[in-house]
Amino acid sequence: AQTVTQSQPEMSVQEAETVTLSCTYDTSESDYYLFWYKQPPSRQMILVIRQEAYKQQNATENRFSVNFQKAAKSFSLKISDSQLGDAAMYFCAYRSRRSNDMRFGAGTRLTVKP
Amino acid sequence: DAGVIQSPRHEVTEMGQEVTLRCKPISGHNSLFWYRQTMMRGLELLIYFNNNVPIDDSGMPEDRFSAKMPNASFSTLKIQPSEPRDSAVYFCASSPQRATNGYTFGSGTRLTVV
Repeated sequence: AQTVTQSQPEMSVQEAETVTLSCTYDTSESDYYLFWYKQPPSRQMILVIRQEAYKQQNATENRFSVNFQKAAKSFSLKISDSQLGDAAMYFCAYRSRRSNDMRFGAGTRLTVKP
Repeated sequence: DAGVIQSPRHEVTEMGQEVTLRCKPISGHNSLFWYRQTMMRGLELLIYFNNNVPIDDSGMPEDRFSAKMPNASFSTLKIQPSEPRDSAVYFCASSPQRATNGYTFGSGTRLTVV
């Protein structure tokens, strides 16, 4: 079974600075997808960014980018120019192409300091 | 598109009562997922459906939990009888069956069993 590990329960960043959230996963498959979701206090789960395992190029979405290291099974999220609205829980997730279900890490709570 | 619609948003019930949570997926999405979120266990996949058929219910904690999807536009998660340890936020999510996409989540139902 696939497992997703987020080793940082909490992180904080100064407004306008850059922060990196870590995620590692364990799988024996070669074809899969990785995601970062944001959960603000409203509890809505919002897709931030996704990465396809067969693509070597790291995904980017505006201020959000990933560092995908397939051999190391690492998938970190970098948030540049942090804003107060970025404060939330961030979940890393793995989705197998074969099985279609998604497994989540335990989450990292990000605080943004003004 | 109204997104994934869950009802009720909040539910408070007494131990031993039956609880039914409802979900309307996005039209055209073939897959539907039920998750439970708690502080202790994070986001747990309970069950998922493809084309209205349950595919994996290994995450359903015990026989008190049951889920149905009678048609492509409606699913229920039922707990009977409810217990205080069932208190959690229950999310429904849907996606197209192609695994390249992340899920679209509903706003969740916060269940409190007293």
